[in-house]
Amino acid sequence: AQSVTQLDSHVSVSEGTPVLLRCNYSSSYSPSLFWYVQHPNKGLQLLLKYTSAATLVKGINGFEAEFKKSETSFHLTKPSAHMSDAAEYFCVGGFGNEKLTFGTGTRLTIIP
Amino acid sequence: DAGVIQSPRHEVTEMGQEVTLRCKPISGHNSLFWYRQTMMRGLELLIYFNNNVPIDDSGMPEDRFSAKMPNASFSTLKIQPSEPRDSAVYFCASSPRTVGQPQHFGDGTRLSIL
Repeated sequence: AQSVTQLDSHVSVSEGTPVLLRCNYSSSYSPSLFWYVQHPNKGLQLLLKYTSAATLVKGINGFEAEFKKSETSFHLTKPSAHMSDAAEYFCVGGFGNEKLTFGTGTRLTIIP
Repeated sequence: DAGVIQSPRHEVTEMGQEVTLRCKPISGHNSLFWYRQTMMRGLELLIYFNNNVPIDDSGMPEDRFSAKMPNASFSTLKIQPSEPRDSAVYFCASSPRTVGQPQHFGDGTRLSIL
């Protein structure tokens, strides 16, 4: 069965320091993987997507993620956190059909 | 470009009333999805359509919930009769009918059943 696991439910970092949000997947297929961000009272916004092209994917707002097949991981990073990055982040997998499999989310808090 | 448009943004109504949520997908997108988000259960897929046809409604909680897509630019999710446990944020999303493509979400309808 396909699944997506976000390893941290809550991450806190200081403003200006790096961000790392961890995601692992399980699939017998070659997956499509996405990161979405959700700000309060908003819908989910696509940050970036991996669809079997380059393994290092750059997204909006300075975020990037690296697909590592050997580790079945797709971690999200950003070199320097900004206060506006505080939000809920979802790692999401597509495993061969139109439906998506969502991780449980990671709440990112930025400390001033 | 216009994104996915949902209405109303907020709905407060009394138990037993009928509730209708509306969604306009992105033009050209062939797949439409309805989700429900709560603190307890997270994001749940209720139903999805391809080319206006319901494909999988296994997530619809019970017969009180129904969804329609009369044409490519409009869908509704109806709850009748509504109950307090239906209180949640309901999202609509659309995507091209192509495997591996991301879904694009609306801003949601925050539903409160008193």
